[in-house]
Amino acid sequence: AQSVTQLDSQVPVFEEAPVELRCNYSSSVSVYLFWYVQYPNQGLQLLLKYLSGSTLVESINGFEAEFNKSQTSFHLRKPSVHISDTAEYFCAVSDRNSGGYQKVTFGTGTKLQVIP
Amino acid sequence: GAGVSQTPSNKVTEKGKYVELRCDPISGHTALYWYRQSLGQGPEFLIYFQGTGAADDSGLPNDRFFAVRPEGSVSTLKIQRTERGDSAVYLCASSPLRDSLGTGELFFGEGSRLTVL
Repeated sequence: AQSVTQLDSQVPVFEEAPVELRCNYSSSVSVYLFWYVQYPNQGLQLLLKYLSGSTLVESINGFEAEFNKSQTSFHLRKPSVHISDTAEYFCAVSDRNSGGYQKVTFGTGTKLQVIP
Repeated sequence: GAGVSQTPSNKVTEKGKYVELRCDPISGHTALYWYRQSLGQGPEFLIYFQGTGAADDSGLPNDRFFAVRPEGSVSTLKIQRTERGDSAVYLCASSPLRDSLGTGELFFGEGSRLTVL
């Protein structure tokens, strides 16, 4: 069975400071990894994903995450945050070998609060 | 509409009542998922449909929960004899499967908040 651990439930950070949101996963098979974001009063939406190839993946709004197989991690980083990044971030994992179907397992989420 | 639509957005009911939550996925998406999100938790998988059939219902907590997707599009999550512990946001997501493995990207609705008094 898969599981995702997000140890930080809340992360306050000043505007323009860097941030890292931690994610560790466990799985007995190869995985796909995702970060989803939920802005206030909105539904979850995909931020970025690792499927294969380069272990460093980026989003269009400056976030990046690096797949580290040896540490079973997929931490999310941004060098300089904006007020608009205030949201809840969920790390998620799915099994590569699901035969055409991905059961996506989510972590408990990290609330990023950007302070002006 | 362009996105996943869920109705009602809010539902307050009394313990023991029956509830239906509706999900209208993105047109053309063959895969449909239901998740439940309790306060302070991440989304918890309930059930997955591929077309009209429930391919994986291993996340349904007990037999009070049931979901259907009779025409392969709209889905209804049904909860019988509701309990206070059923209070949560119920999320629906859809996904296109472009190849034999898919991409795993889920497109979520805004959820239906259920409160059982």
